[in-house]
Formats: sequence, structure tokens, C-alpha cells
Amino acid sequence: GAVVSQHPSWVICKSGTSVKIECRSLDFQATTMFWYRQFPKQSLMLMATSNEGSKATYEQGVEKDKFLINHASLTLSTLTVTSAHPEDSSFYICSSPGLAGGNEQFFGPGTRLTVL
Amino acid sequence: DAKTTQPPSMDCAEGRAANLPCNHSTISGNEYVYWYRQIHSQGPQYIIHGLKNNETNEMASLIITEDRKSSTLILPHATLRDTAVYYCIVRANYGQNFVFGPGTRLSVLP
Repeated sequence: GAVVSQHPSWVICKSGTSVKIECRSLDFQATTMFWYRQFPKQSLMLMATSNEGSKATYEQGVEKDKFLINHASLTLSTLTVTSAHPEDSSFYICSSPGLAGGNEQFFGPGTRLTVL
Repeated sequence: DAKTTQPPSMDCAEGRAANLPCNHSTISGNEYVYWYRQIHSQGPQYIIHGLKNNETNEMASLIITEDRKSSTLILPHATLRDTAVYYCIVRANYGQNFVFGPGTRLSVLP
């Protein structure tokens, strides 16, 4: 199946700094990328949907100015957490539908963000 | 909101079959049933999916009732490495995101 990678796998940062998380499709072109976050002992919650070459669409309650998403190429989408605070500490996961017409969705391994 | 309901947790003895139920009573005719699992601190892993026929692959079997209102994921010989949270998701169109419920936390016991 298609492979999605994320970098970094974990990051620790100070409050007020910005952190960029990369999501790459390694063997297919991802026109769409979904970004989820997962707080401890909770399920995955969709944050936003990014489409290559256009603005991302954000779910209700997710601040678009805080969580900047860029999908400038068919193999790379980035999520930047700006002015991070401890409450942004979470597990961030990206996924892509993969090949057109396929039914699977391919998830990255996740990035654990800890904001001190 | 998720369109499925699952028991919050289950235990299974190592080597035995694990049967994980899922209710999706409001499923539409064009919606597939997907199963994913998430091992601690990893991204979700695809297991299997189906529309109305039973499906089997190297990981598991999926049994869907005739009215499609419920399904069961079967891990035929559970191992300790199968301990994970299992998510049952229904989704129609290619390209839509998945809506995750709380899933079932399966503990495989030695």
C-alpha cells in the first residue's frame, strides 16, 4: 500500500515558539491531505483538510491562524503550530486517500508535540 | 459524530479468536465499513473493509450482517501484538475524511 511519512516523529518546544510538521506521500501523489490531532486517551479528531494548490479548509473550532497548513506540492503538506502553548501538546497525524478511486486511506505514523 | 458504536473495551486470550462487534444501524447503501487499529503512539493501521459481502485477508475477517446494520471483525488467532484500539468506521465516497469514534480497546492477555 501507499506510504505516508511524517517528520519529526516527536518534538519538544518552549511555549510561544512555532513548530512545523511535515507530511509526505512517498510513492503516490496526494492531492488531498487530512490533518488530525489526538489528545491522550481520546480518539482522532479532524482538524483540517488540505488540497494541493488551494487553501485548507478547517473544522469548526480550529483556528486557521494558529494552525497554518501549506500543501504546495503533490507529495508534501505541512502543518505549522504557531505560538505553541502547552494545551497544543498532542499527537498530530496526517492521512491521504491515496490513489484516485481507491477506498483506503493511508495514515502517517504521527508526530508527538510537547509544549513546555 | 461517528456513525458507529463499539464496546469500549474487550479482553481476549492469546491464541484465541477475537471478535469485535460494531453497530452501524444508520449506514447508507453506498457506505463501506472500514476497520483500522491504532497501537499506542502510532498512526492508524488499515485492517480490512467491505460493502456487503464478507471479506477476508491475511490480517482478519469481516462479517457484515445481511441488513448491513452491524459487523464483526475477527482476528482468528490473537497475539499480544494485536493489543490496540480498533476503530470501525463507515464512509461513502472516496476522498472523504474518516470520522473516528472512541473505538474498542482490545487487550490480548497471555
